Amino acid sequence: DAGVTQSPTHLIKTRGQQVTLRCSPKSGHDTVSWYQQALGQGPQFIFQYYEEEERQRGNFPDRFSGHQFPNYSSELNVNALLLGDSALYLCASSLALSNYGYTFGSGTRLTVV
Amino acid sequence: GEDVEQSLFLSVREGDSSVINCTYTDSSSTYLYWYKQEPGAGLQLLTYIFSNMDMKQDQRLTVLLNKKDKHLSLRIADTQTGDSAIYFCAKGGYQKVTFGTGTKLQVIP
Repeated sequence: DAGVTQSPTHLIKTRGQQVTLRCSPKSGHDTVSWYQQALGQGPQFIFQYYEEEERQRGNFPDRFSGHQFPNYSSELNVNALLLGDSALYLCASSLALSNYGYTFGSGTRLTVV
Repeated sequence: GEDVEQSLFLSVREGDSSVINCTYTDSSSTYLYWYKQEPGAGLQLLTYIFSNMDMKQDQRLTVLLNKKDKHLSLRIADTQTGDSAIYFCAKGGYQKVTFGTGTKLQVIP
């Protein structure tokens, strides 16, 4: 049973460019949350998708947007990249209305130069 | 807003017990979690406790919750070198989970 799959694993982009990160949730999960983890920090909540809609959002600018597809997979898009967007982006999947924790992917390491 | 704080570093000898501590600000009823992150990897859920419980034990792991002091701890018995990692305390529920800054556990052989 595959866990959470994220692609790509590493990415280098230039300031001002746009990037799309992808996530396939664990089999049986229907909810996807995205987190940003800067070096040496804890993960920061970006947003959560359920039933193809953004259910909750953290303190991130509108440059960060997402999408969830009917098969529950999800994309995170970041426009107008800044150097400060360099981080590990983590996707976590769960069951709607379940409080029993997330299953995380291994993340996408984004470097903005 | 929600704040979850942890000490940055803990060093223990192999075979000893480790105790990792966490404090939080929001006292609303919710779930509290412990996650483990190894180098280059995502986070792995270790255990969780609901805020109406005081303690939960799961094999080598014991979670203690002091609601009055808003203090959560994770005790790892018989710590092994494979336990070396960063441990995150987290608080929330199904809609949003807030993580602490993480405690790096170093196990000395």
